[in-house]
Order: sequence, then structure tokens, then C-alpha cells
Amino acid sequence: DAGVIQSPRHEVTEMGQEVTLRCKPISGHDYLFWYRQTMMRGLELLIYFNNNVPIDDSGMPEDRFSAKMPNASFSTLKIQPSEPRDSAVYFCASSLGGATQETQYFGPGTRLLVL
Amino acid sequence: GDSVTQMEGPVTLSEEAFLTINCTYTATGYPSLFWYVQYPGEGLQLLLKATKADDKGSNKGFEATYRKETTSFHLEKGSVQVSDSAVYFCALSYNAGNMLTFGGGTRLMVKP
Repeated sequence: DAGVIQSPRHEVTEMGQEVTLRCKPISGHDYLFWYRQTMMRGLELLIYFNNNVPIDDSGMPEDRFSAKMPNASFSTLKIQPSEPRDSAVYFCASSLGGATQETQYFGPGTRLLVL
Repeated sequence: GDSVTQMEGPVTLSEEAFLTINCTYTATGYPSLFWYVQYPGEGLQLLLKATKADDKGSNKGFEATYRKETTSFHLEKGSVQVSDSAVYFCALSYNAGNMLTFGGGTRLMVKP
């Protein structure tokens, strides 16, 4: 398996622009997570899905952020409008749910810079 | 709520030195415990895990024992290598939701 795939790997944009980050989870995994990593705040869970349904979005910083999972093999995280403080590395992770605390597998991340 | 506390870094060691990275947790139940590692420019990957008290997780020479009495899960390695330089994250999780609660991460730098 190719693992969790994220695109783009790097994104540079200007303040006010819309940014869309993409994630393809590992095939067969039914949980998908979006994280943000910054030096100041460390690793933060933004939102997670189970069977394509958002379960907990309490970590989404504000209404400028939205996430969708239209099918089991694709998810997007959108920021509109973007701001310089959104600059961070965004990770997607997936796991196979069940009673045995399955491992989360992380993608390589998208490094976002908002100027 | 649940939380994970790690020792602050960076931890700087010479090659072949002994490594300990402390991790303690606060939890209402009996979570599983994990160590994830993040190499430069990459995503996190699971290093080891333990699912119940007194379990020992091990991988690539690293070990950690789930200590319920001290609510700890310290990471150890007997002889570090330059290639072990990375950021290490301690985390906990319960069955439901597979959500992970991460510590702040500890950067390890190993010098030749």
C-alpha cells in the first residue's frame, strides 16, 4: 500500500486566498484525521471522520476552516480566506477502527505558508 | 480531561549514549499508550505501543513500559545512533473513536 497520500506537499499563497489541502487515506481505513503542527502550539487535532462522517470538529479553529470527506478514499481541508497565522504543517492520518486501538498512519504533511 | 506531559527538549546526546525521554499521563480510564517518532520533513510514524498495565512495547532498540502506578510510559534506548535524531511524541488513546492525545514532543539530537 502507498500509505496516506497528501497533496500538495508545499503550498505558498497570499493572505485572503482560498487553500485546499487533499488527503487519500489507506484503503480500507474507516477513520480519517486532520492535524495541524506549529512550533508554538505543537500537534493539534482539527477534525476527524468515521465512515466519511465528521465525528468531532471541536479542534477546527474558526469558520474559515472546513473539511469534507465525500467518499472513503478522499478528504479535503479548506481554508477560506487564508491568513498568515494559518501557516503550519497540516497532516492527514488514517486508521482502522475497532476494539484493539489500531495505529494511526500519518501522511507526509502539507507545508503551508501564507504571506 | 486526558493529557500527556513530556520532558522538554532538545535532548542532546553523543552516539552510543543511553536515552530516556520521560512521559507521564493523566487519564480517567485505562488507555493504550504510544510513542510516535517524526523524522525531519516527514509525518509521524508509530514507534511502539502498549495496551495495558505492565506491558512493554519495543521496536528498533527502543523500549517503554506501561506503569499504571506512576502513570508513566518513559522511552528508553541503550545506545543511540545519529539516525535516531528526530522528534518523539508520547500519546494515549481509548477504544472509542481512535482519537490520540499527544504530548508536546521531545526533540532528540544525537551527535557523532
